[in-house]
Amino acid sequence: DVKVTQSSRYLVKRTGEKVFLECVQDMDHENMFWYRQDPGLGLRLIYFSYDVKMKEKGDIPEGYSVSREKKERFSLILESASTNQTSMYLCASSSLFQATPYEQYFGPGTRLTVT
Amino acid sequence: AQSVTQLGSHVSVSEGALVLLRCNYSSSVPPYLFWYVQYPNQGLQLLLKYTTGATLVKGINGFEAEFKKSETSFHLTKPSAHMSDAAEYFCAVRAPNSGGSNYKLTFGKGTLLTVNP
Repeated sequence: DVKVTQSSRYLVKRTGEKVFLECVQDMDHENMFWYRQDPGLGLRLIYFSYDVKMKEKGDIPEGYSVSREKKERFSLILESASTNQTSMYLCASSSLFQATPYEQYFGPGTRLTVT
Repeated sequence: AQSVTQLGSHVSVSEGALVLLRCNYSSSVPPYLFWYVQYPNQGLQLLLKYTTGATLVKGINGFEAEFKKSETSFHLTKPSAHMSDAAEYFCAVRAPNSGGSNYKLTFGKGTLLTVNP
């Protein structure tokens, strides 16, 4: 089974702090994604990566950056956390070479609270 | 561009009743379609998917969905709801065309299913 893990289930940070959210997948997937989930808005794509050191902006990249130095790890960085970044953050991965190329596998999520 | 509309942000059924969660999509090419389920404080789990072939697809936990091209729909059903089905359900679409972004999914806003005893 594909396993996607996220470094924290719950995180509380202060406004202005730099925040790192880590995601690791164990299936050698090329594609990795960061979403944020808010009530009534569904999942919104922040950034995705299709290879090591490669990244593309999603729908709501403002206030975020990402890093992918190794294939299995994709980090989301909040340079200066703000209260409007309080949300559930979900990481996912996929591969064009799997049985269903676009099927995404999700981690358990990190609920971030910025105070 | 693809978009997904889930009709009804909240659906409430009685235990044993039919579950029907609606999903309509827009796509210029034949889509790949997915239903995911999210239990409280968890990530998303794949429920079922349509890629090609048979338009009625069966998933886990007794759920099934039918792809209707003429109606651009992919509604999720279960004949008899169970208390454990209470969760949020997301429909997602991917169009299998080429291009630099051909591995993204577009998600609907979700439908919260409540099951009453």
